[in-house]
Amino acid sequence: DTAVSQTPKYLVTQMGNDKSIKCEQNLGHDTMYWYKQDSKKFLKIMFSYNNKELIINETVPNRFSPKSPDKAHLNLHINSLELGDSAVYFCASSLRDRETDTQYFGPGTRLTVL
Amino acid sequence: QKEVEQDPGPLSVPEGAIVSLNCTYSNSAFQYFMWYRQYSRKGPELLMYTYSSGNKEDGRFTAQVDKSSKYISLFIRDSQPSDSATYLCAMSVFGTSYGKLTFGQGTILTVHP
Repeated sequence: DTAVSQTPKYLVTQMGNDKSIKCEQNLGHDTMYWYKQDSKKFLKIMFSYNNKELIINETVPNRFSPKSPDKAHLNLHINSLELGDSAVYFCASSLRDRETDTQYFGPGTRLTVL
Repeated sequence: QKEVEQDPGPLSVPEGAIVSLNCTYSNSAFQYFMWYRQYSRKGPELLMYTYSSGNKEDGRFTAQVDKSSKYISLFIRDSQPSDSATYLCAMSVFGTSYGKLTFGQGTILTVHP
């Protein structure tokens, strides 16, 4: 059973295009996240949603727009893609009221901007 | 200066060796300290967490936190080839399951048979 799934797994696109990445979790969690991992493996949080409400919004260009249609889904739309957007994007989820539970990560979406 | 510093390695050891992985941090508000393991082309998975200072042991893994020095460590005893992965330290103010996790850069570990 897949706990946190992301589509697509790989995404290759041209500069200037608009693309979306989808994330779904079947763990019954109420909090979901988007992280970006650069080529040096540095993992940095971008956004977090709790019950469809945005709770963390790091310093991310407004070309990136997350959308949470329900607690089980969190999508990431990126406008006007730039070379520097090339990275692996990870979705994660957790249960907010279990303080010492873990964030479960998806398998990642490897985005390459040409 | 990054909030969390971690030597990226790479670190290469023979099977059976004791491995020591370390992170330093600058934010004294961090209370939860975690170690994640990430295999190649996979998402990170939580290996261990500790709250505040002290040691925690789980099988071959021991996590240590020294808040006075702002220094955390992960020790792996009797290392196995299956331990080959990137190890990421992470820290948070409010817990391991919600809020902002701040990660180190990750240390690439290879254990040779």
